[in-house]
Amino acid sequence: SAVISQKPSRDICQRGTSLTIQCQVDSQVTMMFWYRQQPGQSLTLIATANQGSEATYESGFVIDKFPISRPNLTFSTLTVSNMSPEDSSIYLCSGFPGGKETQYFGPGTRLLVL
Amino acid sequence: DAKTTQPPSMDCAEGRAANLPCNHSTISGNEYVYWYRQIHSQGPQYIIHGLKNNETNEMASLIITEDRKSSTLILPHATLRDTAVYYCIVRGVYNFNKFYFGSGTKLNVKP
Repeated sequence: SAVISQKPSRDICQRGTSLTIQCQVDSQVTMMFWYRQQPGQSLTLIATANQGSEATYESGFVIDKFPISRPNLTFSTLTVSNMSPEDSSIYLCSGFPGGKETQYFGPGTRLLVL
Repeated sequence: DAKTTQPPSMDCAEGRAANLPCNHSTISGNEYVYWYRQIHSQGPQYIIHGLKNNETNEMASLIITEDRKSSTLILPHATLRDTAVYYCIVRGVYNFNKFYFGSGTKLNVKP
């Protein structure tokens, strides 16, 4: 099965600062996805990231708050900007490696904002 | 995209079969049903998926009703390590790569 890694695995940040989360896939993927999982909740899709184009954001999420980069077919970053305690969540990336029908997920980045 | 409805929690005795239901009454003809599980806030793990026919792999079986409005994930011999939140997801047609997660079912496997 494909491997998706994320950095950092967890972080504690001060409000008003920004954190960039990295997602690395061990094979090429056309689309990568970023999800947020708030404490005790299910996963919510933030945006879809394609190489060479701007990310597509779901309702309730905006580029200024969650800028995304997709420089190549195996890597993406999500930045959580101007953080507040409400941004404390697990952030996960995912993709369909090798054009498979199965979506694989990274282990998640646990963010705590104080 | 079709929404899914799952019971919030279920209990199962270790060694017994766990049958997790999912309702997706608004599913379209070419939308797949996927099952994932999430163990203790790790990244979701793929279990199985299907379109019309029942499917089986080394982890589980997926039974889809003939009208495709509901499905059941079967873990044939549940172990304590199967304790997790199980998500039933319908893969959309027009945004077919997007997965919209419902609230899932917390399966508690008890000794």
